[in-house]
Amino acid sequence: DTAVSQTPKYLVTQMGNDKSIKCEQNLGHDTMYWYKQDSKKFLKIMFSYNNKELIINETVPNRFSPKSPDKAHLNLHINSLELGDSAVYFCASSQELAILPSYEQYFGPGTRLTVT
Amino acid sequence: AQKITQTQPGMFVQEKEAVTLDCTYDTSDPSYGLFWYKQPSSGEMIFLIYQGSYDQQNATEGRYSLNFQKARKSANLVISASQLGDSAMYFCAMREGRGYSTLTFGKGTMLLVSP
Repeated sequence: DTAVSQTPKYLVTQMGNDKSIKCEQNLGHDTMYWYKQDSKKFLKIMFSYNNKELIINETVPNRFSPKSPDKAHLNLHINSLELGDSAVYFCASSQELAILPSYEQYFGPGTRLTVT
Repeated sequence: AQKITQTQPGMFVQEKEAVTLDCTYDTSDPSYGLFWYKQPSSGEMIFLIYQGSYDQQNATEGRYSLNFQKARKSANLVISASQLGDSAMYFCAMREGRGYSTLTFGKGTMLLVSP
């Protein structure tokens, strides 16, 4: 059973289009994340949601809008796609107890977005 | 300043040998966690090992161990008896403090294991 799943795995689209990436976790975790991995493999946090509430937004352009309909889902919608948005987007989840920073994050398989 | 530094862009090792991947970190928070993830060519991120700042002993998970030197702020990953399947990108990451925080990743080290 897949713990964190993302769809689609590959997404090729043209500049200016709007697209969405979906993420679901079946681990019962209360916190979910979106990361962006650029062409140099550098991973950077974009957003973090805890119990459907946005708690971290790392200066991401407002063309990116995450939405969490429930604890198990965190979708990423991107408006007016640009060439620089081409990257691999990872969803992740963890169980946060806000006590110690010891809980690993489980990552989805990634979505490779190519903007042409 | 970078919070996580991995100074080895690439490492080569022969099968069955041990290899150490370096990671240094920067934080003023006394409570933090250090993680290592593996990313094979298939792209998924696989959690390997965790070390907490208050842990007295170095973490071990099978062939993986973490050489934690708190005073030096280093958290090197040691892979014993390398296997061909260990060829991958390895990322060191840190979470700081108590409460909600996210992982800050290093730039990664590409490990190639040769027969």
